[in-house]
Amino acid sequence: EAGVAQSPRYKIIEKRQSVAFWCNPISGHATLYWYQQILGQGPKLLIQFQNNGVVDDSQLPKDRFSAERLKGVDSTLKIQPAKLEDSAVYLCASSPRQGYEQFFGPGTRLTVL
Amino acid sequence: GQNIDQPTEMTATEGAIVQINCTYQTSGFNGLFWYQQHAGEAPTFLSYNVLDGLEEKGRFSSFLSRSKGYSYLLLKELQMKDSASYLCAVRDRRGSYIPTFGRGTSLIVHP
Repeated sequence: EAGVAQSPRYKIIEKRQSVAFWCNPISGHATLYWYQQILGQGPKLLIQFQNNGVVDDSQLPKDRFSAERLKGVDSTLKIQPAKLEDSAVYLCASSPRQGYEQFFGPGTRLTVL
Repeated sequence: GQNIDQPTEMTATEGAIVQINCTYQTSGFNGLFWYQQHAGEAPTFLSYNVLDGLEEKGRFSSFLSRSKGYSYLLLKELQMKDSASYLCAVRDRRGSYIPTFGRGTSLIVHP
């Protein structure tokens, strides 16, 4: 069974630039999560989708972050414009059902200069 | 919201036993997960507890006491490859059942 795929693996941008991350969850997993993990901390949830609907985006900085999951499969997370404090690893995870064991992708390491 | 507390760092010797504690405060507790995360890699699922007691899975065991808001992960016969961060995550029925992660405990296993 293929795991959660993410791209790119690494990205370096300058502040005020835009960046987009892509995630392809495990086939059949209805629930998809985006997390931000700052070095030395646990993952912080940004947004959760159930199929193509948003379940929780209360911690998503909506003035600069946006996410979509148009067909209930792949998802993209965008930051526009980026700030220095956005430097982190962005993890995508999926699960077969909401609240169950999560399967994480390898993450995208973002560095904002 | 939830308050999840874990020690920041622990060290142990190869072959020994180590216990990593996690305490939490939530009024809508609905399950606790442990994940392992090696440096530079994604978290991987280790265990899940929703009822009180001990769940054993090979060298790893996880314990839960809901009345005390307390869990621990027990690692036996430690190996060098067990050096990693161990994340405790608590699921709350009042938060759309979305698990909230603690900061993680960095375990260093030395020879």
